[in-house]
Amino acid sequence: EVQLVESGGGLVQPGGSLRLSCAASGFTFSSYWMHWVRQAPGKGLVWVSRINTYGSSTSYADSVKGRFTISRDNAKNTLYLQMNSLRAEDTAVYYCARDADAAIAFIDYWGQGTLVTVSS
Amino acid sequence: SYELTQPLSVSVALGQTARITCGGNNIGSKNVHWYQQKPGQAPVLVIYRDSYRPSGIPERFSGSNSGNTATLTISRAQAGDEADYYCQVWDSSTVVFGGGTKLTVL
Repeated sequence: EVQLVESGGGLVQPGGSLRLSCAASGFTFSSYWMHWVRQAPGKGLVWVSRINTYGSSTSYADSVKGRFTISRDNAKNTLYLQMNSLRAEDTAVYYCARDADAAIAFIDYWGQGTLVTVSS
Repeated sequence: SYELTQPLSVSVALGQTARITCGGNNIGSKNVHWYQQKPGQAPVLVIYRDSYRPSGIPERFSGSNSGNTATLTISRAQAGDEADYYCQVWDSSTVVFGGGTKLTVL
């Protein structure tokens, strides 16, 4: 059974940093591209970032470019999102998600999400 | 940047057919995917590559895509289909989601 379990969320002050982790199991993690997607309270889904199988190619939404860094450790079956210079508008549930098809980028499995709250 | 436009809400009578649209410039040339999200839960993929259903998704869910509009069709709507639905495409190395449509089953 595919499982994606996020951790690392919490309350952080504006300008602060946080690192999210996503532990993957039930599939060959190193064979799949991965995503982070977020959802502000009561709002829609917003894509954040994507990483290839090796960790050598990444892409970001304009809203987080230069502040967030996606990475992965295939030996540990773990996906990361380093978030710096956090703003109130980054407050959201952050989902880790598996890319089913790298060529057309759609998500077949989602974690349950971890809540990040940016507030003083 | 590419934009996807969805109606904020759609209502359907129990047992009838619901159609949720997703508009985008020449969206017919792209692969469109659809997700269902119920309150407090993670999204679930219901349609990929315009019209393919993942295993476990009822045949009542179908999709089409042409011109500037993609459509998710839910036949014989059930109370359990009440949820938010999002369309999604891949464009210029970014994932784009529509704003979401709240489906109400009356």
